[in-house]
Amino acid sequence: DAGVIQSPRHEVTEMGQEVTLRCKPISGHDYLFWYRQTMMRGLELLIYFNNNVPIDDSGMPEDRFSAKMPNASFSTLKIQPSEPRDSAVYFCASSLRLAGSGAQYFGPGTRLTVL
Amino acid sequence: DQQVKQNSPSLSVQEGRISILNCDYTNSMFDYFLWYKKYPAEGPTFLISISSIKDKNEDGRFTVFLNKSAKHLSLHIVPSQPGDSAVYFCAASAGGPRPNFGNEKLTFGTGTRLTIIP
Repeated sequence: DAGVIQSPRHEVTEMGQEVTLRCKPISGHDYLFWYRQTMMRGLELLIYFNNNVPIDDSGMPEDRFSAKMPNASFSTLKIQPSEPRDSAVYFCASSLRLAGSGAQYFGPGTRLTVL
Repeated sequence: DQQVKQNSPSLSVQEGRISILNCDYTNSMFDYFLWYKKYPAEGPTFLISISSIKDKNEDGRFTVFLNKSAKHLSLHIVPSQPGDSAVYFCAASAGGPRPNFGNEKLTFGTGTRLTIIP
């Protein structure tokens, strides 16, 4: 299996621009998670989906952030408009509930820099 | 409020010796705990987990110990190898027995950077 795939790996944009991050989970996994990692706050859960339905978006920092999962193999995290404080590494992870271990499998991350 | 705490930001250990990474939690509803390892420019990788019904789980060189009364868990790596140099994250969730648990949400600690000295 290819694992969780994220694109782009790096994104540099200017303040005010729209940013879209993409994720392809591991085939057959029924949960998908979006995390943000910063030096100050560590690894924070932003939102997660079960069977393509958003379950908990309490970690989404503000209305500028939105996430969608139109099908089982694709999800996007959008920031509009972007701000310098959004600069971070964004991770996508997926898991299979019936696997029993509770483990989430992470993608390589997207490093976002907002100038 | 940091519900999962890793109070040591870094740790250095000689190759071949034991590495002990610690984690404390405050939420008594947490009933499942995991350790992840992260190399630079990569996503975290699942290492080992433990349910609150156990106090120890072992997988090769890695052992996780859970002390529920102290709300403390630790990861032991024996013997430590240079490839173990990475950032280690502790994570916890609340949601009942697996595999029918209802809450997949993980709360992560801030990580401990482990350096193995050859």
